[in-house]
Amino acid sequence: GQNIDQPTEMTATEGAIVQINCTYQTSGFNGLFWYQQHAGEAPTFLSYNVLDGLEEKGRFSSFLSRSKGYSYLLLKELQMKDSASYLCAVRDLGNKLIFGAGTRLAVHP
Amino acid sequence: KAGVTQTPRYLIKTRGQQVTLSCSPISGHRSVSWYQQTPGQGLQFLFEYFSETQRNKGNFPGRFSGRQFSNSRSEMNVSTLELGDSALYLCASSWGRRDSNSPLHFGNGTRLTVT
Repeated sequence: GQNIDQPTEMTATEGAIVQINCTYQTSGFNGLFWYQQHAGEAPTFLSYNVLDGLEEKGRFSSFLSRSKGYSYLLLKELQMKDSASYLCAVRDLGNKLIFGAGTRLAVHP
Repeated sequence: KAGVTQTPRYLIKTRGQQVTLSCSPISGHRSVSWYQQTPGQGLQFLFEYFSETQRNKGNFPGRFSGRQFSNSRSEMNVSTLELGDSALYLCASSWGRRDSNSPLHFGNGTRLTVT
């Protein structure tokens, strides 16, 4: 079956660093995506990993280990506007994008 | 460049009715995917259309159906509505190439409430 696990909620302080983990078991693997979704808005694309290692994009980085079925999203220099849900999604070999339930991040002053 | 457009934004229906939701993808995108989003379940994959053909299907009952037109616009239909169908329905478009890092671009969704 398809299974993607993320923590339900996390809290962090403005200016700090937070790591959101994602583990997956899917029917094959053809890339992993992270999305950000603010309340009442559409999910927006943050990052993509298909090979092992770290991809850095400004304050956001994403890491992938295919052998462990594991990824994390690292957010640095947290800002209040980073309060949102973060969705981990895996593209399986059939090209379906399967999403985890999302991690709700609350950033406080 | 215009984003993904979904209409209507909000719908209220009663049990047993049917509903049609519409999605216009980003110009040039040939793949349209539909997702159901509920607070407890997250985004659940409904189906994907590419060049007017259903390319992928999730685990939803046959009451959920869709189609795609030659201009890549897509519609989703739900018949015999149930209370549990109340959700945010999101449409997403992409270039649709299987081997690419092409991300999905989401619309703002249609909020369906079934009473």
